[in-house]
Amino acid sequence: DAGVIQSPRHEVTEMGQEVTLRCKPISGHDYLFWYRQTMMRGLELLIYFNNNVPIDDSGMPEDRFSAKMPNASFSTLKIQPSEPRDSAVYFCASSFTRVFGYTFGSGTRLTVV
Amino acid sequence: DAKTTQPTSMDCAEGRAANLPCNHSTISGNEYVYWYRQIHSQGPQYIIHGLKNNETNEMASLIITEDRKSSTLILPHATLRDTAVYYCIVRPINTGGFKTIFGAGTRLFVKA
Repeated sequence: DAGVIQSPRHEVTEMGQEVTLRCKPISGHDYLFWYRQTMMRGLELLIYFNNNVPIDDSGMPEDRFSAKMPNASFSTLKIQPSEPRDSAVYFCASSFTRVFGYTFGSGTRLTVV
Repeated sequence: DAKTTQPTSMDCAEGRAANLPCNHSTISGNEYVYWYRQIHSQGPQYIIHGLKNNETNEMASLIITEDRKSSTLILPHATLRDTAVYYCIVRPINTGGFKTIFGAGTRLFVKA
C-alpha cells in the first residue's frame, strides 16, 4: 500500500481564492482525519469521518472551511475564500477501527499571499 | 480527553537507549496510551500503544506503570534519525470521542 496520499504537496494561492486539498486514505481504513499544523498552534484536529460520514467538525475554524468524503477512497478539504492566516501544513490521516494508530500523509503546505 | 505532561526537550547519545517519560495522572480506565513522533517536515508517525501491559514492537517499547498514571517510551538504540518530536496521547477507544489531540510533545535530540 502506498500509504495515505495527499495532493498537492505545495500550494501557493492569493487571498480570496478557493483552495481544495485532496486525500486518499489507505484502503480498508474506516476513519479519516484532517489536521492543520502551524508553529503557533501545533497540530489541530479539524474534522474526522467514520465510514464516510462526518462525525465531529468542531475543529473547523470557520464557515470558510468545508470537508467532504464522497466515498471510502477520497476526501477533500476546501477553503473558500482563503486568507493569509490559513497558511499552514494540512495533514490527512486514516485509521482502521478505533484501536489502531493513525497513518498520516505527507501533508500539503499551503501558503496564502 | 485526559491530558498528558511531557518534558519539553531531551538529549540522547547515539547508540544509547532513549527513555521518554509521560505523565497522565488523570487517565481513565478505558483510555489507551499512544505514542507518535514527527520528524522535521514529515507527517506524524504512529509508534506504539498500550492499555496497561508493557508493549514492544520493532520500533520501541512502552512501559506503563501499574497505576497507569505514567508511562515511558524506550528507543533501545537511538540513532540520529530518531531526532524528532515525540507525542504521548491518551484517548478512549470504545466510548465517546475518538479525537487524538496532540500536545507540544518532547523534542528529542540524538547526538553523535
